[in-house]
Amino acid sequence: DQQVKQNSPSLSVQEGRISILNCDYTNSMFDYFLWYKKYPAEGPTFLISISSIKDKNEDGRFTVFLNKSAKHLSLHIVPSQPGDSAVYFCAASEWGGSNYKLTFGKGTLLTVNP
Amino acid sequence: DVKVTQSSRYLVKRTGEKVFLECVQDMDHENMFWYRQDPGLGLRLIYFSYDVKMKEKGDIPEGYSVSREKKERFSLILESASTNQTSMYLCASSLETGNYEQYFGPGTRLTVT
Repeated sequence: DQQVKQNSPSLSVQEGRISILNCDYTNSMFDYFLWYKKYPAEGPTFLISISSIKDKNEDGRFTVFLNKSAKHLSLHIVPSQPGDSAVYFCAASEWGGSNYKLTFGKGTLLTVNP
Repeated sequence: DVKVTQSSRYLVKRTGEKVFLECVQDMDHENMFWYRQDPGLGLRLIYFSYDVKMKEKGDIPEGYSVSREKKERFSLILESASTNQTSMYLCASSLETGNYEQYFGPGTRLTVT
């Protein structure tokens, strides 16, 4: 039973264009969402997060949108750069849940072509 | 600067061997986690610990055990390694309170032959 779903295993975008990575969740108790970026042979690094009380959070080129009614969030990268090529994981945490455990999606491989 | 280190980047072990993967964090974090990452399966939680000597099973604990004798150190033990435990193992830590952000180590690529 997959509670966090990233339905696109891969995405290819031209440099300078917008990248949109999507994530859906099924657990209505999730109250905090995070995006991580992972390069090959490295650990994931935190990118951006959003609380369920907000619908948008922006940090430089990265913006996360949350649609609670649709149980959907998306990560926008504008403009996309070749260095953004990585696997992106969506993660969620449940209010009152077990010690801040995160539930991860399966990831989306983003390739930004020069 | 936040730092999580793992004892080995690459490890090759034989089937049946006992394997120890070590993780150390220098951020005084209460929570520590062990994940494995496999292609197409994402990050799956094996075990986590919220305090010294405390542990809880994650989603895939079978074939693994853990040890946390000191706050900064969290060990993952494969009692009898099998080929289906060939994977990338990632350790992470986080604060007891705050924004849920977990900090990851660089990972250990384990191959069991």
